[in-house]
Amino acid sequence: AQTVTQSQPEMSVQEAETVTLSCTYDTSESDYYLFWYKQPPSRQMILVIRQEAYKQQNATENRFSVNFQKAAKSFSLKISDSQLGDAAMYFCAYRRYNNNDMRFGAGTRLTVKP
Amino acid sequence: GAGVSQSPSNKVTEKGKDVELRCDPISGHTALYWYRQRLGQGLEFLIYFQGNSAPDKSGLPSDRFSAERTGESVSTLTIQRTQQEDSAVYLCASSLVLGGSNQPQHFGDGTRLSIL
Repeated sequence: AQTVTQSQPEMSVQEAETVTLSCTYDTSESDYYLFWYKQPPSRQMILVIRQEAYKQQNATENRFSVNFQKAAKSFSLKISDSQLGDAAMYFCAYRRYNNNDMRFGAGTRLTVKP
Repeated sequence: GAGVSQSPSNKVTEKGKDVELRCDPISGHTALYWYRQRLGQGLEFLIYFQGNSAPDKSGLPSDRFSAERTGESVSTLTIQRTQQEDSAVYLCASSLVLGGSNQPQHFGDGTRLSIL
């Protein structure tokens, strides 16, 4: 079974600084997708970034980038120039290619200090 | 509307009652998902609909849970004889399916269900 582990229940970062959130996953598949979702207090899940496992290049979206290490089954999220609006729960997620079941980690609560 | 819409936003009910939660996906999204999120935890997959195919019910925790979707429109998640452990936020998401590949999911704001 595929599992997703986020080992940091809480993280804190100073405004304008950089923070990295960790995620590891367990799978025997070679084709899959990885995602980072942000969930602010409003509850809505917002897609931050996604990575296809067959792509070697790390995905980037403005201030958000990932470090995808396929062999190590690691998928960390780096937030640069942190902003107050980045404060939220961040969930790492895995989905096997052509499969409906998305597995989520337990989440990391990110606090941004002014 | 532009996004996934869920109703009600909050629901409080007594143990043993039935509840029905509604999800209105983004227009044109053929795939629809239901998730459960218990307090302080990640999301648990419940059920998936894709077009007119038989739904993937592999995540439903018990036979008290059921869901329906008519075509590619509204879906309802029904919980019968509610128990206190059913208290959670129930999130709905929809996505496009392009070339057989599911695109990223767009989530609604969820329904917070509290069982007294």
